[in-house]
Amino acid sequence: SYELTQPPSVSVSPGQTASITCSGDKLGDKYASWYQQKPGRSPVLVIYQDKRRPSGIPERFSGSNSGNTATLTISGTQAMDEADYYCQTWDSSTAVFGTGTKVTVL
Amino acid sequence: EVQLVESGGSLVQPGGSLRLYCAASGFTFTNYWMSWVRQAPGKGLEWVANVNQDGSKKYYVDSVKGRFTISRDNAKNSLYLQMNSLRAEDTALYFCARENGNSSDSWGQGTLVTVSS
Repeated sequence: SYELTQPPSVSVSPGQTASITCSGDKLGDKYASWYQQKPGRSPVLVIYQDKRRPSGIPERFSGSNSGNTATLTISGTQAMDEADYYCQTWDSSTAVFGTGTKVTVL
Repeated sequence: EVQLVESGGSLVQPGGSLRLYCAASGFTFTNYWMSWVRQAPGKGLEWVANVNQDGSKKYYVDSVKGRFTISRDNAKNSLYLQMNSLRAEDTALYFCARENGNSSDSWGQGTLVTVSS
């Protein structure tokens, strides 16, 4: 079955840039989405179709996808961005989520 | 405003059955694929199943095939998940989600299923 691998944790200082990677076989040939989940809350879509932002998502969130890796970048990270982040794609008509990355804003 | 409200979760014994419900409002239900996603305590997200707009196409993660059935009632704007032969590893918070293209753009608050004797 298809797998997506993310680093378990990423630490970033306020105002700095956080990059979260998501690795999967030929992931660049598929669309990647990204979700933010804060403790006790439901996931929120922050990036879809590799790089598009839903309405209401701040411009500091951006995405890219090429080769075997999709990347979520948070520029000018704020304390409110501290959360778990999951990538997601589709393979053979089934959805696959990444292993998840905890972003800590120190 | 899009709203998805799940219900039906509870404590159930291994081998038992449970039916989850998701009430949708604030959008044209018949225009969207719908899915169930679960999250075991302290763990990541796992996609479970989805169904197309008229209920004719359904897909499942391998671990629930033959045990779970997703369905929808468009007249009632409702999504269901019938879960049979439940196992301890099915213990999770189950989310209902609206699919929009390749993403899930709206999520419910979840309903908790606990499988334990």
